[in-house]
Amino acid sequence: QVELVESGGGVVQSGRSLRLSCAASGFNFRSYGMHWVRQAPGKGLEWVAGISYDGNNKFYGDSVKGRFTISRDNSRYTVYVEMNNLRAEDTAVYHCAKSRDYIGLREAFDMWGQGTVVTVSS
Amino acid sequence: QSVLTQPPSVSGAPGQRVTISCTGSSSNIGASYGVHWYQQLPGTAPKLLIFADTSRPSGVPDRFSASKSGTSASLAITGLQPEDEADYYCQSYDIGLSGPSFGTGTKVSVL
Repeated sequence: QVELVESGGGVVQSGRSLRLSCAASGFNFRSYGMHWVRQAPGKGLEWVAGISYDGNNKFYGDSVKGRFTISRDNSRYTVYVEMNNLRAEDTAVYHCAKSRDYIGLREAFDMWGQGTVVTVSS
Repeated sequence: QSVLTQPPSVSGAPGQRVTISCTGSSSNIGASYGVHWYQQLPGTAPKLLIFADTSRPSGVPDRFSASKSGTSASLAITGLQPEDEADYYCQSYDIGLSGPSFGTGTKVSVL
């Protein structure tokens, strides 16, 4: 079954940390770039971070640069995002998404997970 | 902040044709980066509708089509159906952001 399943969301206080996971199945995970995209309540989509197929190249949106770290474990078919110094404005549904190519900054995202909810309380 | 602008909403009667615009600049669409389109039904994850300006993934009905010209792109839905009620987003790479950017989103309503 081809799918992405996120986990790790929850309610966290401002300034604390959280790690999200995304487990992939049904495709050759090692060959594709993976990304995190978030959606604040009632708002649009915002690209958060991306990682190349081999984990050697990592990219971040301006709003999370220096606070979030993306990583992947190809042996476990899993991509992660470590979120530090969380702020109220980080409250959102976090989706992981698969790129159509090995990095994916310019390519479309052809598979999405249902998302995990992160709520940052002040 | 989005560098791609879409109308907040469009509507049409069943069977009609509606179009959604996506206006960018020379830093994204105008720089010949591909435009992609997504459909997000209420309470669900986004779904890829169009990639690389005009290509449809397998399984996407040919009622959905797209085009690009200059610094803008557009998505057309012909033969509008009730199940097309959703939010639609464009996406392209932006040089200034050094990453992908999504459009502001458009809600399509079927009257």
